[in-house]
Amino acid sequence: EAQVTQNPRYLITVTGKKLTVTCSQNMNHEYMSWYRQDPGLGLRQIYYSMNVEVTDKGDVPEGYKVSRKEKRNFPLILESPSPNQTSLYFCASSTASGYTDTQYFGPGTRLTVL
Amino acid sequence: SQKIEQNSEALNIQEGKTATLTCNYTNYSPAYLQWYRQDPGRGPVFLLLIRENEKEKRKERLKVTFDTTLKQSLFHITASQPADSATYLCAPGPSFSGGYNKLIFGAGTRLAVHP
Repeated sequence: EAQVTQNPRYLITVTGKKLTVTCSQNMNHEYMSWYRQDPGLGLRQIYYSMNVEVTDKGDVPEGYKVSRKEKRNFPLILESPSPNQTSLYFCASSTASGYTDTQYFGPGTRLTVL
Repeated sequence: SQKIEQNSEALNIQEGKTATLTCNYTNYSPAYLQWYRQDPGRGPVFLLLIRENEKEKRKERLKVTFDTTLKQSLFHITASQPADSATYLCAPGPSFSGGYNKLIFGAGTRLAVHP
């Protein structure tokens, strides 16, 4: 089954404790991205990757890091989480056609930073 | 800057009626527009894509229109059912930002269909 998986689905942590949210897709998509979703603000892109070893900042990259060492995986790293990073996070992938770019989203990770 | 507006107020309708959701965008000219459905706590799911040269697109009970002059898309669900209750996001694209074609999502409109 074609899908994007994320782990963990729920995470409660404390300020400053490094964490990683994993993302994996089995559709051989070139393009992957991370979004955060907050009430009233919609989906905002954090980082994206056009392919292996190619990543770039989205609209709200501060406080986050990513890496793309393999095509299927795109982990999101919070080196020193803060309470303002409490949010619902989604990983997404698509073909990098540049014309349709239909996004396939993961199930989400709800992060709470105390 | 590019802006997408969807009605932030929930739309409440009776089962069997047609639901109409609006998406307005400003300051860019997307080549296409996508609509997604999102259930609470879940990732958005793609529903329909309409291109700039298409006036209307249909899929089962769904119909989307795209008016590039008004910079607006309308999303219709006919014969609505309680199972259609969800938040619907529009995403005009691509937006040429940072040298890459990206989708920008609206904040979504929540639809509640009552029996």
